[in-house]
Amino acid sequence: DAKTTQPNSMESNEEEPVHLPCNHSTISGTDYIHWYRQLPSQGPEYVIHGLTSNVNNRMASLAIAEDRKSSTLILHRATLRDAAVYYCIPLSTGVNYGGSQGNLIFGKGTKLSVKP
Amino acid sequence: DSGVTQTPKHLITATGQRVTLRCSPRSGDLSVYWYQQSLDQGLQFLIQYYNGEERAKGNILERFSAQQFPDLHSELNLSSLELGDSALYFCASSLTPLETQYFGPGTRLLVL
Repeated sequence: DAKTTQPNSMESNEEEPVHLPCNHSTISGTDYIHWYRQLPSQGPEYVIHGLTSNVNNRMASLAIAEDRKSSTLILHRATLRDAAVYYCIPLSTGVNYGGSQGNLIFGKGTKLSVKP
Repeated sequence: DSGVTQTPKHLITATGQRVTLRCSPRSGDLSVYWYQQSLDQGLQFLIQYYNGEERAKGNILERFSAQQFPDLHSELNLSSLELGDSALYFCASSLTPLETQYFGPGTRLLVL
């Protein structure tokens, strides 16, 4: 499994953009980069994922470096509800369902605090 | 609301006892996963099922077992409980093992 490195914590002001970095230098060519977040007292929640190109959805944007060794989750306007622990998870997605494919290996993540 | 339900929400029991945690996946999802979250170990993958069959095992103790039933709900059985088994236990489901996982609200287990 690819190893990831994320800052332990980050702070943001409400309504400002937030860039959450993740290093995944050992990622393999077939690993998608998934981001999940866990709000206080809740289960993890899917945010976004991508392979090579930058991706956007209603929650966030994902910018993936050209060499795929790092990525950045972008929250365009942080709200108080975005305060959570954010996890960057490389996920093997081969063409068959065998082995450990699909299992999420969580690191320590980045705890994001949002100030009003 | 993710559509994944877990019961019970809270469970308090004593060391040496056995408990069963139940998970109902989102309608149509065939894959079920169990994760454990403790203060010292973080979120850890325990076991995965796909359409009733065990697909992968993570850091699951021998005292723990699970199964997925024909109606696709799953149960996690924890036996000979120890203080260190106190944790949040999450169930997640996905359409297939390669799809986005949706997590339930968790069962908080306290072993006294």
